Amino acid sequence: TQLLEQSPQFLSIQEGENLTVYCNSSSVFSSLQWYRQEPGEGPVLLVTVVTGGEVKKLKRLTFQFGDARKDSSLHITAAQPGDTGLYLCAGVGTGTASKLTFGTGTRLQVTL
Amino acid sequence: DAGITQSPRHKVTETGTPVTLRCHQTENHRYMYWYRQDPGHGLRLIHYSYGVKDTDKGEVSDGYSVSRSKTEDFLLTLESATSSQTSVYFCASMGQSHTEAFFGQGTRLTVV
Repeated sequence: TQLLEQSPQFLSIQEGENLTVYCNSSSVFSSLQWYRQEPGEGPVLLVTVVTGGEVKKLKRLTFQFGDARKDSSLHITAAQPGDTGLYLCAGVGTGTASKLTFGTGTRLQVTL
Repeated sequence: DAGITQSPRHKVTETGTPVTLRCHQTENHRYMYWYRQDPGHGLRLIHYSYGVKDTDKGEVSDGYSVSRSKTEDFLLTLESATSSQTSVYFCASMGQSHTEAFFGQGTRLTVV
């Protein structure tokens, strides 16, 4: 069983603060995807990281894939109210079946 | 946007009745997935498919079955619906590149 644990589960911060969300597993993944989900909608992809140690930046968001391809992190700099939402990591299994397992989710609220 | 649709979007059914949810994609994606999402949880994998007639169980497969007779269609069946299966169900598809999963709009199922 490939389990992905995200921490923290909930995060309430003020505008301008920085935050980091962690996604950890004991399993190795071929790639790791990060999604954001709004209420009533399906998740939408933010980024995919593939190589161990890879760092990707998307404006104020920085994503990192662990060297062993078992964990990842999402760092947001100077959070804004528009960043509010549910953040989900998802790992693609290394087998040919490409099982896609989602993390437990981090609900972020950014207030003025 | 990838073409992936779920039907029905909403359904209310009685305990003990069979229910089938349909997922249809027009992207010729090899991989398809069914998830359920409950309050306080991320997306939990029910079943997934890695090709026509090739399916496997996810973490919460009890009480569910799936079929994939064509690349574009992935059906999820609740053999005998129970109140614990009240949830929002999401279907997703992913191509060979493994870089992004595309989601349907979700099906809100209520078992009374």
